[in-house]
Amino acid sequence: GNSVTQMEGPVTLSEEAFLTINCTYTATGYPSLFWYVQYPGEGLQLLLKATKADDKGSNKGFEATYRKETTSFHLEKGSVQVSDSAVYFCASSNPSGGYNKLIFGAGTRLAVHP
Amino acid sequence: DSGVTQTPKHLITATGQRVTLRCSPRSGDLSVYWYQQSLDQGLQFLIQYYNGEERAKGNILERFSAQQFPDLHSELNLSSLELGDSALYFCASSAGTRDRAEQFFGPGTRLTVL
Repeated sequence: GNSVTQMEGPVTLSEEAFLTINCTYTATGYPSLFWYVQYPGEGLQLLLKATKADDKGSNKGFEATYRKETTSFHLEKGSVQVSDSAVYFCASSNPSGGYNKLIFGAGTRLAVHP
Repeated sequence: DSGVTQTPKHLITATGQRVTLRCSPRSGDLSVYWYQQSLDQGLQFLIQYYNGEERAKGNILERFSAQQFPDLHSELNLSSLELGDSALYFCASSAGTRDRAEQFFGPGTRLTVL
């Protein structure tokens, strides 16, 4: 079955540091890939997405590229801010079969210090 | 604000009881998804409805059931509650089911079973 694996946290960085959170997936067919962010006490917000190989999703300085050859979708940001502190979830979906459930990784907690 | 609403925000109940969680999707969205977020299982897909019909089932217990009404709101019913059912329950909605449209998440209902 489909699965998503992401690096364990917590990840602790100083402000303006470079961020990478690794995510790999297994899937039948061609899934769409997503990064969701969960701020403390809130629901999930879509951060970015990519729907086919070599697509790059980007938003708010975050980027991730859909790499079919390595089955990866790593999240990167060049300079993190304290306000980026949250839990980040990598997810895949596969609409084949007539439905579109999301399969989530375990989540990676990011803490950014001034 | 995603446009998806969930009530109640918090629910505290006892083992053996039954509760109903409610979700209103974004205006125009026909698909509703339910997810459970717990410390030990992470984020798991429970069930999906599309325009009133069940479309997909995930790891949903037999004690749990859901439905989507003609006005497209959905309810998740949890019965014979156990301590392990304590979790954050999210509802999400999307425009379709076979397309790769993103899912918009509500703020969640935190269920505590004592």
